[in-house]
Amino acid sequence: KQEVTQIPAALSVPEGENLVLNCSFTDSAIYNLQWFRQDPGKGLTSLLLIQSSQREQTSGRLNASLDKSSGRSTLYIAASQPGDSATYLCAVRPGGNNAGNMLTFGGGTRLMVKP
Amino acid sequence: DTAVSQTPKYLVTQMGNDKSIKCEQNLGHDTMYWYKQDSKKFLKIMFSYNNKELIINETVPNRFSPKSPDKAHLNLHINSLELGDSAVYFCASSHTSGRDDTGELFFGEGSRLTVL
Repeated sequence: KQEVTQIPAALSVPEGENLVLNCSFTDSAIYNLQWFRQDPGKGLTSLLLIQSSQREQTSGRLNASLDKSSGRSTLYIAASQPGDSATYLCAVRPGGNNAGNMLTFGGGTRLMVKP
Repeated sequence: DTAVSQTPKYLVTQMGNDKSIKCEQNLGHDTMYWYKQDSKKFLKIMFSYNNKELIINETVPNRFSPKSPDKAHLNLHINSLELGDSAVYFCASSHTSGRDDTGELFFGEGSRLTVL
């Protein structure tokens, strides 16, 4: 059974810092890994999706890496801003027979960027 | 235009009642999902459904049933509501067949259910 863990559970940084969020998963047989952002009381917004054959994806100040063999992904946020404050979730999609594309989510990292 | 929309956004009801949450997607996706987010913010898959098959997470009580009138809609019906059903329920969709299958999920805004 796939398990996804995110560390740290919460993070508070001053504005302008670069930061790294970590995600680990127990079963390396994944199809892809997706990072989401969730604002309080809102739904999930997809940030980056990394296919199992890829090593990283970039979008603006965000960079996500994937090391499938070690079961790890990191989300790097450069020059953090107060508007980045949110909960960040990673989720893995199983490979193989696909199991209906049912994602397994980590518990999230709650990020606060202070002005 | 909202890609994945859910109604109602908030629902407060008594134990024992039956309720439904509706979901619609206008992305042309072939697969829709329901996820439950509990008070600790953990998101867990409940159902995955396309026009070929319904996959149910084995931990979901049979009081919960998805109903899909067409490819763009997947409603969640809950019978005999219990206190523990209080949570935020998220609908999502993706394209899971052919070369367009990136596996990327798009979520609705969530429906907060409170059972008293």
